[in-house]
Amino acid sequence: GEDVEQSLFLSVREGDSSVINCTYTDSSSTYLYWYKQEPGAGLQLLTYIFSNMDMKQDQRLTVLLNKKDKHLSLRIADTQTGDSAIYFCAESMITGRRALTFGSGTRLQVQP
Amino acid sequence: DVKVTQSSRYLVKRTGEKVFLECVQDMDHENMFWYRQDPGLGLRLIYFSYDVKMKEKGDIPEGYSVSREKKERFSLILESASTNQTSMYLCAAGTSGGGEQFFGPGTRLTVL
Repeated sequence: GEDVEQSLFLSVREGDSSVINCTYTDSSSTYLYWYKQEPGAGLQLLTYIFSNMDMKQDQRLTVLLNKKDKHLSLRIADTQTGDSAIYFCAESMITGRRALTFGSGTRLQVQP
Repeated sequence: DVKVTQSSRYLVKRTGEKVFLECVQDMDHENMFWYRQDPGLGLRLIYFSYDVKMKEKGDIPEGYSVSREKKERFSLILESASTNQTSMYLCAAGTSGGGEQFFGPGTRLTVL
């Protein structure tokens, strides 16, 4: 079955890089996602990666995938106070049920 | 740039009432999903639909039903609301091939 795990909390200083980590258990071909949720808001899709990729970069965001260890990370360069939010890692299969399995979310706090 | 909308941001209902939560997407995606989000439990899948008039139970379907009469609209129904259904409800839409899944802003339901 699918299981996605994340650490609960990360605190960084403004201008530093943030790295949010996630592990997943499903060994099938899959999509892996990063979502951002600000207080009182829905989930905003930041980026996603297919499991045959190693890396994806989009402006300040870099996603790294270690397939051997089933480890996914999201790096935010030059972290800003506006990046403070909860970040969810999620996984979905490419066949069968397409629903997302979520981690519990990592709360990122950016100190000025 | 609106992709997924939900009928209400906040809703307060009484125990035993029938509750309808509506979700509409403008992306012509085949798959639609209903999740609930609770502190400490993350997001859990209630129901999903991969086509008009088709539905599948998710991980926590008890006490809920759904309706998908048109491709763009997916409704979540609480037949007789109970206090343990107080939660944030999130709707999402995605393609049949996987990849992007977009979420609505969420409906915070309180059952008194």
